[in-house]
Amino acid sequence: QVTLRESGPALVKPTQTLTLTCTFSGFSLSTSGMCVSWIRQPPGKALEWLARIDWDDDKYYSTSLKTRLTISKDTSKNQVVLTMTNMDPVDTATYYCARTSTVSNWFDPWGQGTLVTVSS
Amino acid sequence: AIRMTQSPSSLSASTGDRVTITCRASQGISSYLAWYQQKPGKAPKLLIYAASTLQSGVPSRFSGSGSGTDFTLTISCLQSEDFATYYCQQYYSYPPTFGGGTKVEIK
Repeated sequence: QVTLRESGPALVKPTQTLTLTCTFSGFSLSTSGMCVSWIRQPPGKALEWLARIDWDDDKYYSTSLKTRLTISKDTSKNQVVLTMTNMDPVDTATYYCARTSTVSNWFDPWGQGTLVTVSS
Repeated sequence: AIRMTQSPSSLSASTGDRVTITCRASQGISSYLAWYQQKPGKAPKLLIYAASTLQSGVPSRFSGSGSGTDFTLTISCLQSEDFATYYCQQYYSYPPTFGGGTKVEIK
């Protein structure tokens, strides 16, 4: 059974850096073709893809957020970390991680999500 | 980036109704389209990929069709557990993009 779980702070101040961790089980990011993506959803709004990291350490970022995002992985710990710098109240959202692959670029399954509020 | 437009943004329906949701891509995406269901406070759940392939475990009352720029998700006989928001997503090119969502509400 594949599961993913996001963890990180529930509240960050404007200009701070957000660090989120996705801990997963049931698959390995050392397996050819495996990938993990981050997606976010502001309250009451639609989904926005943020970043992806592949089994071979290739990385992809949202064009509009590229300068603020960094994605990395620790294969031995089955974790993927996303950092987002210079947080702003508009970044308030539920942040999800999800499994994907290089040959099937849909997202399945998703973690439960973690709500991050940006406020002073 | 490819823009995905869903219609309607919301609809009201009764249990047993047939419901159709439309998703249009700003350029051709072949059949590289997925559909998700999201219930309040929960993560999205994959329903359909490759425009028409039902994910394992998803009831057969859900179906998808289309290719190129126009796609539909159909729920043949709406059940109480189907009241949710539905999103389409293209994975033809990076970045992957989602539609704005269609909220299916109880009439």
